[in-house]
Amino acid sequence: QKEVEQDPGPLSVPEGAIVSLNCTYSNSAFQYFMWYRQYSRKGPELLMYTYSSGNKEDGRFTAQVDKSSKYISLFIRDSQPSDSATYLCAMSVPGNQFYFGTGTSLTVIP
Amino acid sequence: GAGVSQSPSNKVTEKGKDVELRCDPISGHTALYWYRQSLGQGLEFLIYFQGNSAPDKSGLPSDRFSAERTGGSVSTLTIQRTQQEDSAVYLCASSVPYGVSYEQYFGPGTRLTVT
Repeated sequence: QKEVEQDPGPLSVPEGAIVSLNCTYSNSAFQYFMWYRQYSRKGPELLMYTYSSGNKEDGRFTAQVDKSSKYISLFIRDSQPSDSATYLCAMSVPGNQFYFGTGTSLTVIP
Repeated sequence: GAGVSQSPSNKVTEKGKDVELRCDPISGHTALYWYRQSLGQGLEFLIYFQGNSAPDKSGLPSDRFSAERTGGSVSTLTIQRTQQEDSAVYLCASSVPYGVSYEQYFGPGTRLTVT
């Protein structure tokens, strides 16, 4: 079983839609949860990170962590064509390596 | 300021040849990571350097892979006797130490093609 599972998509939505991206994990020791965005032919860039459980909001983006279900989500409100990218979840035990999901490819259609 | 840089951006090599991939981290970042990204496989952790500590090599797929970091800065990933399954994008990332920031800054990657 992989440490982190993520639906690869692809996901295609109309502009303005709410997008929900999700990951599940198996290691209950994970404490840091991150979402990265990767444009084609570029390296990933950090969007948001959350420590332990709870919600975090940043503009149109909201990250949720449910440790009891070992489930994390990223919501994108009022999606824009510029949001078209691959979104990777990542998580780690403090002081240890990061484990990444396989990424979900998102296309926002104007 | 300057981000993480990697060279070359693209490398085509013949099966059996050795290759060296270079990573220049952000100045002052003591942590450096190498990952491999294959189509449909996500980011695969390879190796992690933190300051003067012994590197975490637990992700290296075989003894054909090695990495070093000189002077706590530039890192080189070496793949010996390349195989076709080594074809992938190799990404380098750096960060300040755990406890200060958990953000990894990624370079643009080196796209390796083994023919």
